[in-house]
Amino acid sequence: SQQGEEDPQALSIQEGENATMNCSYKTSINNLQWYRQNSGRGLVHLILIRSNEREKHSGRLRVTLDTSKKSSSLLITASRAADTASYFCASHTNAGKSTFGDGTTLTVKP
Amino acid sequence: DAGITQSPRHKVTETGTPVTLRCHQTENHRYMYWYRQDPGHGLRLIHYSYGVKDTDKGEVSDGYSVSRSKTEDFLLTLESATSSQTSVYFCAIVRDTDYEQYFGPGTRLTVT
Repeated sequence: SQQGEEDPQALSIQEGENATMNCSYKTSINNLQWYRQNSGRGLVHLILIRSNEREKHSGRLRVTLDTSKKSSSLLITASRAADTASYFCASHTNAGKSTFGDGTTLTVKP
Repeated sequence: DAGITQSPRHKVTETGTPVTLRCHQTENHRYMYWYRQDPGHGLRLIHYSYGVKDTDKGEVSDGYSVSRSKTEDFLLTLESATSSQTSVYFCAIVRDTDYEQYFGPGTRLTVT
């Protein structure tokens, strides 16, 4: 099975609502990063959280990390139609190796 | 971002032919990566490099080799392309300063 896993696989919400997606990983990490990918496009880096951090904010994004549960969550507040995309997490080890999950597809309806 | 380019951007090749994809960065970061992405999936790590001539395998390395003779270039070679290697290939770097990972625009490879 994939080392990194996101849930839900798909999420559909109305504009203005909050979107929460979760990520699990299996090995010890140096950091965990979240990315956005619009359909047919490249990946855009959103936020990095280090293994010794528990929460981080960037604009409308809030990321949490629970190393005891090997899990992370990404919260997007006040969603906009432009937030419609696939969101991926990737865990990064101290050796530099990274593992991606299969992503959450977010649809924000106007 | 981070001055990453990939070439070619699109390629169609026949089964059994060798193919080399190039990733070039302008900022001399130590770590470089090759991933593949198949429809409906996340990225899977093929190989990565932590310096000139220093490389390691990822989770899907069979059928692929890499070389890094200069800091700025990381080459991915399919020795004998197969239809199962039809995919979109992304190169990435991890910034030495803050460990954030940034991606190139991708190469769409079709093996017929």
